[in-house]
Amino acid sequence: DTEVTQTPKHLVMGMTNKKSLKCEQHMGHRAMYWYKQKAKKPPELMFVYSYEKLSINESVPSRFSPECPNSSLLNLHLHALQPEDSALYLCASSLYRGESSYNEQFFGPGTRLTVL
Amino acid sequence: DQQVKQNSPSLSVQEGRISILNCDYTNSMFDYFLWYKKYPAEGPTFLISISSIKDKNEDGRFTVFLNKSAKHLSLHIVPSQPGDSAVYFCAASAVWSGSRLTFGEGTQLTVNP
Repeated sequence: DTEVTQTPKHLVMGMTNKKSLKCEQHMGHRAMYWYKQKAKKPPELMFVYSYEKLSINESVPSRFSPECPNSSLLNLHLHALQPEDSALYLCASSLYRGESSYNEQFFGPGTRLTVL
Repeated sequence: DQQVKQNSPSLSVQEGRISILNCDYTNSMFDYFLWYKKYPAEGPTFLISISSIKDKNEDGRFTVFLNKSAKHLSLHIVPSQPGDSAVYFCAASAVWSGSRLTFGEGTQLTVNP
């Protein structure tokens, strides 16, 4: 299994809603990532989990809350988002750089989030 | 400070010809480089990578060349096909950055039939 899956595919939420994005991989990767991508821009790193521990938080606002329940799952909890948070949210996974120099990140299809 | 740069926002080529996408980097600590392809509303798809100990890596129609002295890499696609039309991102990795990838801004490739 060389796939990263993400649910839901699309999400529309109001600024007072609470929702969660989910990501799953079964490649045995111990590094998992959340990215945000705006149109015609590169993916922007938000969080990195290494061995289920948060290792990088790129100064993301607290209205985004990541969670890594186990080595295969990654969640992103959303609360009180703003319209400018509308974007494609991508999950990725890879071998941990400390394990291998060849740490290709494999991306999921993304969740298209619209905040009204 | 943009450490990975793709100076051409777009490239248009004819089907069957060669597509050459370029990428420059500034940080000499980068030791692993990757190319991703992205269709609209989809996640990036890993294409090909190269370690700094090599100067060329080939996979089917895709070849990546690395010139460390010039801090430059390029992706060659031969022959180009209409289905190759997508945004191509160059990315770089270094041991000091852990698992972080640094992406370029992307190049929109259009292959005309």
